[in-house]
Amino acid sequence: EADIYQTPRYLVIGTGKKITLECSQTMGHDKMYWYQQDPGMELHLIHYSYGVNSTEKGDLSSESTVSRIRTEHFPLTLESARPSHTSQYLCASRSGRNTEAFFGQGTRLTVV
Amino acid sequence: GENVEQHPSTLSVQEGDSAVIKCTYSDSASNYFPWYKQELGKRPQLIIDIRSNVGEKKDQRIAVTLNKTAKHFSLHITETQPEDSAVYFCAASHPTGGGNKLTFGTGTQLKVEL
Repeated sequence: EADIYQTPRYLVIGTGKKITLECSQTMGHDKMYWYQQDPGMELHLIHYSYGVNSTEKGDLSSESTVSRIRTEHFPLTLESARPSHTSQYLCASRSGRNTEAFFGQGTRLTVV
Repeated sequence: GENVEQHPSTLSVQEGDSAVIKCTYSDSASNYFPWYKQELGKRPQLIIDIRSNVGEKKDQRIAVTLNKTAKHFSLHITETQPEDSAVYFCAASHPTGGGNKLTFGTGTQLKVEL
């Protein structure tokens, strides 16, 4: 089934650890996005990509990095996790500039 | 860059009443305006969208209006039901460099009371 998948769904990790949040979509979409969201709160754009080998920083300053080596895959990496990174991370994708964005289920990250 | 403001932040209505949520945007190049509903613990899902060449769009109990001159757009829900209770986000899509950013408003917590 065509969808957008995020793993893991929940993650508790110690301060200073390196982590990668996975996001994959099977819809063939060119545009992909990462948002940070505290529960029920504003969606902050932290990274986006409009195709393979293209990535841009979003509006919210983030210590994370992303890569887009394959169309379907858009992982987000934190080199050194800190408690301030505790949040939910939502991945989204869409096919064009005036089309619906589909969201993944999210990864709820807790850094202790 | 684009800035999307959304009001109110919380809205409580009686079942059967109408609810209106308003958003303004800053970038005149924005050309696509979706609305998302996010239920507790779930991912945001599109409920309705409007493109810049259209002034109004309706889908059953939900309607969206767009005023390009004033740079604002609104979501209207009629005959509200308890299952309409959720957080609603407006968004604006705008070109930037080689791609498109999708910027969201701050969200409105809608509560429909029996």
